[in-house]
Amino acid sequence: AQKVTQAQTEISVVEKEDVTLDCVYETRDTTYYLFWYKQPPSGELVFLIRRNSFDEQNEISGRYSWNFQKSTSSFNFTITASQVVDSAVYFCALSEASFQKLVFGTGTRLLVSP
Amino acid sequence: DTGVSQNPRHKITKRGQNVTFRCDPISEHNRLYWYRQTLGQGPEFLTYFQNEAQLEKSRLLSDRFSAERPKGSFSTLEIQRTEQGDSAMYLCASSLTSGGQDTQYFGPGTRLTVL
Repeated sequence: AQKVTQAQTEISVVEKEDVTLDCVYETRDTTYYLFWYKQPPSGELVFLIRRNSFDEQNEISGRYSWNFQKSTSSFNFTITASQVVDSAVYFCALSEASFQKLVFGTGTRLLVSP
Repeated sequence: DTGVSQNPRHKITKRGQNVTFRCDPISEHNRLYWYRQTLGQGPEFLTYFQNEAQLEKSRLLSDRFSAERPKGSFSTLEIQRTEQGDSAMYLCASSLTSGGQDTQYFGPGTRLTVL
């Protein structure tokens, strides 16, 4: 069965601090895909990144970076030098090759104060 | 290129009434998904279409729920005889199949409140 766990319910940081959001997943498939979405107060889910299970290279996009480790079934997300605009709920999600649906974690609420 | 749009954005209804939501996907996206999100939770999959064919339905989708995508473009989600437990945000997403897993882009959602 597919499962995504985001153990951190809420994180509060001060602007310019670095913050890491944890994501642990469970799947029986060897081919799967991992995603991060951002949900700002407006409510719309914004796609951030997609990784497939065969690509363990870490990725950096501006202040965002992602660390994918199959050995620990984790796909963690780091924001460097956080900004107030980063305040949102962040969701990690999993999809197996045989199913098209996304299975989401419960989300981590990030609060960045000035 | 416009994103996924959903109407209405908010709907308040009385228990027992029927409601219908509409989703317009990104142009030329062949897949369309419906999810439901309750407070403090991540979205949960309800159903998805590839073109006009409904390919998968979650067990969450009771007999009171029905979804259509008649011409492979926009989709509607109808809830009959609404219950208070149906109160949630209903999210629509679309994607373009391109070998392997496609990326789903979400609309702003329809927030349903059942009184």
